[in-house]
Amino acid sequence: NAGVTQTPKFQVLKTGQSMTLQCAQDMNHEYMSWYRQDPGMGLRLIHYSVGAGITDQGEVPNGYNVSRSTTEDFPLRLLSAAPSQTSVYFCASSYSKGGSYTFGSGTRLTVV
Amino acid sequence: AQRVTQPEKLLSVFKGAPVELKCNYSYSGSPELFWYVQYSRQRLQLLLRHISRESIKGFTADLNKGETSFHLKKPFAQEEDSAMYYCALNTNAGKSTFGDGTTLTVKP
Repeated sequence: NAGVTQTPKFQVLKTGQSMTLQCAQDMNHEYMSWYRQDPGMGLRLIHYSVGAGITDQGEVPNGYNVSRSTTEDFPLRLLSAAPSQTSVYFCASSYSKGGSYTFGSGTRLTVV
Repeated sequence: AQRVTQPEKLLSVFKGAPVELKCNYSYSGSPELFWYVQYSRQRLQLLLRHISRESIKGFTADLNKGETSFHLKKPFAQEEDSAMYYCALNTNAGKSTFGDGTTLTVKP
């Protein structure tokens, strides 16, 4: 039982490049979320999903896209990377809307 | 819109002293509240949730709906408690909002 798996763990991008951060969970959780963690700003919600085929925006969605074609996977796409997107990104999943979240180990992204 | 406020970014106590990490929330519905902890170089993990009213690693937290607070307390802090602590709120729509976090340092 791997839990929530994020890849890659580290990534350096040039401004304007695009990429996809991968997130997969094997717990059959319906709820999945993406957060970014910046010093002094805690965890900010980017996008979330309450089930396959359903996604919604969080607090800071601009510059990011998501899709949820299966229960297991919830990839986060950066369309055109900017230095302001340098951050640590966490994916998390939960079995219910009132349940606690299980977190991945994070992806440290640097945009130069 | 929901909001979680952790007023202290940094908190430092001596080993054996009591510790309280503050969390206040605003939400018009019935909230589900949690405390998560992130130890150095580890992923975030659940510490406790209000609905279970349990004590984990000596920590407790009581939901005070009148004061809209969910403060985390421990009577005797240990050095291994040094970590980043996040308070979080789940809404009825399944959205989970986190506070900015409090870095707790327990000095020997």
